Amino acid sequence: EVVMTQSPATLSVSPGERVTLSCRASQSVRNNLVWYQQKPGQAPRLLIYAVSTRATGIPARFSGSGFGTDFTLTITSLQSEDSAVYYCQQYDDWPPITFGGGTKVEIK
Amino acid sequence: EVQLVESGGGLVQPGGSLRLSCAVSGATVNSDYMSWVRQAPGKGLEWVSIVYSSGGTYYAESVKDRFSIFRDPSNNTLNLQMKSLRVEDTAIYYCARGLVWGFKYWGQGVPVTVSS
Repeated sequence: EVVMTQSPATLSVSPGERVTLSCRASQSVRNNLVWYQQKPGQAPRLLIYAVSTRATGIPARFSGSGFGTDFTLTITSLQSEDSAVYYCQQYDDWPPITFGGGTKVEIK
Repeated sequence: EVQLVESGGGLVQPGGSLRLSCAVSGATVNSDYMSWVRQAPGKGLEWVSIVYSSGGTYYAESVKDRFSIFRDPSNNTLNLQMKSLRVEDTAIYYCARGLVWGFKYWGQGVPVTVSS
């Protein structure tokens, strides 16, 4: 099973700041990595697929990078509506399809 | 636009059974991967099961031999038959569509509580 590890668990950031979230896979997942955003009481929302491609309607301030085992989600100029939990997920070696434990982004 | 609407959740005693359904609109249930993903209270996301467009199925080890995923093309629904339920199966259950390029579409989720 591919274990996905996200860090940090929680991040408190001021509006307008740049945010960097990390996701590490226990083995290479090549570019088969996606990111989701989940707000309280809502279903997850697809943000980024294939490491760096934004899903439909996702603002340009969200970007992804990485390959193999180390991945990053960057939010440039954090907005108040970006307060959420962010999950990475791999679909390279499955089953099982595995998610990271999530990073909670809080607004200061 | 594809929409997914789950139903069938509720309170069940340990050892009991429950069937969840996910009504698909805007697409046919057979035309893409369909999955169930769950989220225990205050916890992260956990993939539960998937059915291919060709009909093949896979399950997480934690639910194998207890849960069964199947499609009903006549009603354009995805279903999850759950038996021998355990307290640790308590979660919000989401149906999700896609796999390659991510789970693009999600339902709103349906709560399942396993408790005596």
